[in-house]
Amino acid sequence: AQSVTQLGSHVSVSEGALVLLRCNYSSSVPPYLFWYVQYPNQGLQLLLKYTSAATLVKGINGFEAEFKKSETSFHLTKPSAHMSDAAEYFCAVISNFGNEKLTFGTGTRLTIIP
Amino acid sequence: GAGVSQSPRYKVAKRGQDVALRCDPISGHVSLFWYQQALGQGPEFLTYFQNEAQLDKSGLPSDRFFAERPEGSVSTLKIQRTQQEDSAVYLCASSPRQGAGEKLFFGSGTQLSVL
Repeated sequence: AQSVTQLGSHVSVSEGALVLLRCNYSSSVPPYLFWYVQYPNQGLQLLLKYTSAATLVKGINGFEAEFKKSETSFHLTKPSAHMSDAAEYFCAVISNFGNEKLTFGTGTRLTIIP
Repeated sequence: GAGVSQSPRYKVAKRGQDVALRCDPISGHVSLFWYQQALGQGPEFLTYFQNEAQLDKSGLPSDRFFAERPEGSVSTLKIQRTQQEDSAVYLCASSPRQGAGEKLFFGSGTQLSVL
């Protein structure tokens, strides 16, 4: 069964600083990996997804993530944090394309310090 | 509509009461999912519809939970004899294609509180 682990339930960074949110996956077959963001009182939105085409994936709002098979990781980064990035971020996995069950991590709440 | 709509936004139920949660997916979307999100946790899969067919209901926690999508559009999640452990945010998501490998569009959820 596939799963993801998000290290750090809360992360705080200063405005303009690097954002790094960690996600490690466990899957017996090549995974498809996703990052979703949840703003207060809004539904989850897809930031980016990895489907084996390229290991470095660029998403919306300046975010990107790199798939590292050797480390079983899919960390989310953004070079310069903006106040509007404050939200809850979820890593998610599907073990094979077309599977219906998207399995989410427990989430990381990102706080931006002015 | 422009997005996935869920109603009610908030629901307070007394223990033992039946509740019905509604989801209006984006028009034309084939796939519809229900997730349960407990406080401080990530969403957990409940059930999946492809059009009107319920292809996977393995995540429903008990036989008190029932979901339907009779015409392949609007879906209702019904919880009978609610218990305190049912308190959570119930999220609905839809997708234009089969499965969850494509982008899922989520509603804002229904926050259920069972007293």
